[in-house]
Amino acid sequence: AQSVTQPDIHITVSEGASLELRCNYSYGATPYLFWYVQSPGQGLQLLLKYFSGDTLVQGIKGFEAEFKRSQSSFNLRKPSVHWSDAAEYFCAVDPYGQNFVFGPGTRLSVLP
Amino acid sequence: GAGVSQSPRYKVAKRGQDVALRCDPISGHVSLFWYQQALGQGPEFLTYFQNEAQLDKSGLPSDRFFAERPEGSVSTLKIQRTQQEDSAVYLCASSSTGLDTEAFFGQGTRLTVV
Repeated sequence: AQSVTQPDIHITVSEGASLELRCNYSYGATPYLFWYVQSPGQGLQLLLKYFSGDTLVQGIKGFEAEFKRSQSSFNLRKPSVHWSDAAEYFCAVDPYGQNFVFGPGTRLSVLP
Repeated sequence: GAGVSQSPRYKVAKRGQDVALRCDPISGHVSLFWYQQALGQGPEFLTYFQNEAQLDKSGLPSDRFFAERPEGSVSTLKIQRTQQEDSAVYLCASSSTGLDTEAFFGQGTRLTVV
């Protein structure tokens, strides 16, 4: 079945530590890939997206993600986490160029 | 407008009541999407408009759910005879041309059915 998985429901890191959030998808072809962040009571904000080309994409707020076709993965990374990064992170795919399929989300907590 | 605006922000409905949720997309955006986000879960697709045409409504969970965008701008999601399982945040997004450009999301309407 077609799906998007985010294996980690909740991750806690210390401020200043590095971060990697995992995302795997199951589709026949490479879909468009996205990472969104949602702070409490806020809408979804796009961090970055991958359509084609360079498999390492840079986004806002110092985030980057790497597309690995062989692993059907699109993991999000940040070298040094800030307290303001605490939020819910959603990986999303667009398999048909018409609507998103979101993963279940990973909640990030940041320790001072 | 500056962003996607949704109203009301919060709605409490008694079971069996009809509700209407409004979405004002960014001016000029052709595409409009509705998503349902249950507590602790990722958003799930409900329906998609291109201008006034509803091109995909495959995500609407039942015939109690109805969406319209009669003039190709503001959209309304209507839920008839609400049930407790309809409790969720309803998110609206718009984009200029499909999803190869960025989709902007509103803050959502939190619906609680009691």
